[in-house]
Amino acid sequence: RKEVEQDPGPFNVPEGATVAFNCTYSNSASQSFFWYRQDCRKEPKLLMSVYSSGNEDGRFTAQLNRASQYISLLIRDSKLSDSATYLCVVRETTDKLIFGTGTRLQVFP
Amino acid sequence: GAVVSQHPSWVICKSGTSVKIECRSLDFQATTMFWYRQFPKQSLMLMATSNEGSKATYEQGVEKDKFLINHASLTLSTLTVTSAHPEDSSFYICSARDQLAGTIYFGEGSWLTVV
Repeated sequence: RKEVEQDPGPFNVPEGATVAFNCTYSNSASQSFFWYRQDCRKEPKLLMSVYSSGNEDGRFTAQLNRASQYISLLIRDSKLSDSATYLCVVRETTDKLIFGTGTRLQVFP
Repeated sequence: GAVVSQHPSWVICKSGTSVKIECRSLDFQATTMFWYRQFPKQSLMLMATSNEGSKATYEQGVEKDKFLINHASLTLSTLTVTSAHPEDSSFYICSARDQLAGTIYFGEGSWLTVV
């Protein structure tokens, strides 16, 4: 079983759509959780941290359910510029970041 | 904000030669840096954890004699791919942990092509 599993994707959605990504992790001792965005042939960039209380940053909402070991990301009112690969990332006790395989999003006009 | 610089961005080398990639934290000190590798359409896979002043910790399946890591200062870690082969062609990315703030920052990555 992979340590961090994500929706297989790709997701092809029209501009303005709402899209949700899911992620599960296997290590219950994991400490921190993040969503990163990676554009083609570039390094990953932090999109947002994920907290148990849920958090929102503009059109992006992230949720964490520690009991289910489940993380989600919701993108509202999708823009063309949102097209990228979204990586679910878990930080373990040793500071190691474990990356999911990523879900590709393509927003079309 | 904090920046992690990685050099070179692109490198092409011949089979059998060695290539060195540098990861530098520009405005913070990093006792710990991480090296990742990403093959096409795959996720980032942690190769090793680089610790300033001590030996690196390698992940299972990563050959320490092939991927030499040196973390001689609080701002610089280097990864040397020795006796490179075409299957080593990949995107190598480093990250550095700001030891004061705890935040982890990524370098821009290095594309290695072995011909």
